Amino acid sequence: DTGVSQNPRHKITKRGQNVTFRCDPISEHNRLYWYRQTLGQGPEFLTYFQNEAQLEKSRLLSDRFSAERPKGSFSTLEIQRTEQGDSAMYLCASSFRQNHYEQYFGPGTRLTVT
Amino acid sequence: QQPVQSPQAVILREGEDAVINCSSSKALYSVHWYRQKHGEAPVFLMILLKGGEQKGHDKISASFNEKKQQSSLYLTASQLSYSGTYFCGTTSRTSYDKVIFGPGTSLSVIP
Repeated sequence: DTGVSQNPRHKITKRGQNVTFRCDPISEHNRLYWYRQTLGQGPEFLTYFQNEAQLEKSRLLSDRFSAERPKGSFSTLEIQRTEQGDSAMYLCASSFRQNHYEQYFGPGTRLTVT
Repeated sequence: QQPVQSPQAVILREGEDAVINCSSSKALYSVHWYRQKHGEAPVFLMILLKGGEQKGHDKISASFNEKKQQSSLYLTASQLSYSGTYFCGTTSRTSYDKVIFGPGTSLSVIP
């Protein structure tokens, strides 16, 4: 059973650079979610997809953030012109209807902006 | 709207019981419970779908009071392995597939 995978696991970047993260969900899951988590907080919803369609994007998310799921399989999250406040753990999760959308999380990508 | 969790943190001795509460200001479709250990991703524990539903496995169970828009997680005879941060996640009837997580409750079980 292959779970949700995310790459890279760690990313250190300088302020102002662009970064891209990848998430590979569990193959039969049609929902894919992106969350951001900072120390001591719960996962904060960023956006989610049903197959290739982006269903919702958090209003708290700036225009520097964009996500895609081009063929309804893997997804990418891009952050342009990174800021120090973007430093966080970025979690991806997938789910499907038959399990009432319980979330299966990947290991996350830890971003540090210097 | 993020659900509210209480308490924020709790320390238990092995064998003691604990209750973690989760409440929402919105009408709920479901409540999810997850546990996250330090440096790891959250792991699904259980989901409650109907008002009054109670579920459990091992010595961890949960209830869902739909009218009060509340859920409680019960940990009995706690073990060291129960340590971690517990998150409730809620979905609404208009967004039943979108989980909004609470701030978490840190649980530490000591010998």
